[in-house]
Amino acid sequence: EIVLTQSPATLSLSPGQRVTLSCRASQSVSYYLAWYQLKPGRVPRLLIYDASNRATGIPARFSGSGSGTDFTLTITSLEPEDFAIYYCQQRSAWPVTFGQGTRLE
Amino acid sequence: VLLVQSGPEVRRPGASVKVSCKASGYTFSNYGFDWVRQAPGQGFEWMGWITAHNGKSDSSQRFQDRITLTVDKSTETVFMELKRLTSDDTAIYYCARVGGVAVAGSQFWGQGTQVTVSS
Repeated sequence: EIVLTQSPATLSLSPGQRVTLSCRASQSVSYYLAWYQLKPGRVPRLLIYDASNRATGIPARFSGSGSGTDFTLTITSLEPEDFAIYYCQQRSAWPVTFGQGTRLE
Repeated sequence: VLLVQSGPEVRRPGASVKVSCKASGYTFSNYGFDWVRQAPGQGFEWMGWITAHNGKSDSSQRFQDRITLTVDKSTETVFMELKRLTSDDTAIYYCARVGGVAVAGSQFWGQGTQVTVSS
């Protein structure tokens, strides 16, 4: 099973700041990695698919990069609505796995 | 695109539960579905996948002897049945559409089904 390790576990920031979240895979997932945003009581929102492609309707301040084992999600200027938990997911190999999440507060 | 799941369920330990996910708004057979769950205070756990085209499925080893994934093309609905429930199966269960342009990433999710296992 491919283990995804997200860091840091929690980040305390302010609106307007730039943030980079990390997701590291225990073995290569090529570019088959996605990023989701999760808010309490809401369905996961796809931000980035296949490592670097913004999903439909996602603001340009969100970007993804990386391939192989190291991936990042960058938010260039935090908006108040961006404070949430972020998860990465790999679909390179089964079982599909998720990172444990990074809480942005 | 809309994925509508069945309502909340309460089961006793040892019982089974069957959750449905009805799709609409696109060509059903062109995509597959992941089933994912999130236990209270936990992250996401992938349970399995099924293709709407021919019902081919695969599931996580963790559930392989307890889970059954099926598809009904006539109603454009997929089902996830989990047997021999324990309190550890208390979670929100989601279906998520997979395929199309993205290999990794599901744009469309069901609203989630709360399954509570309690004696």
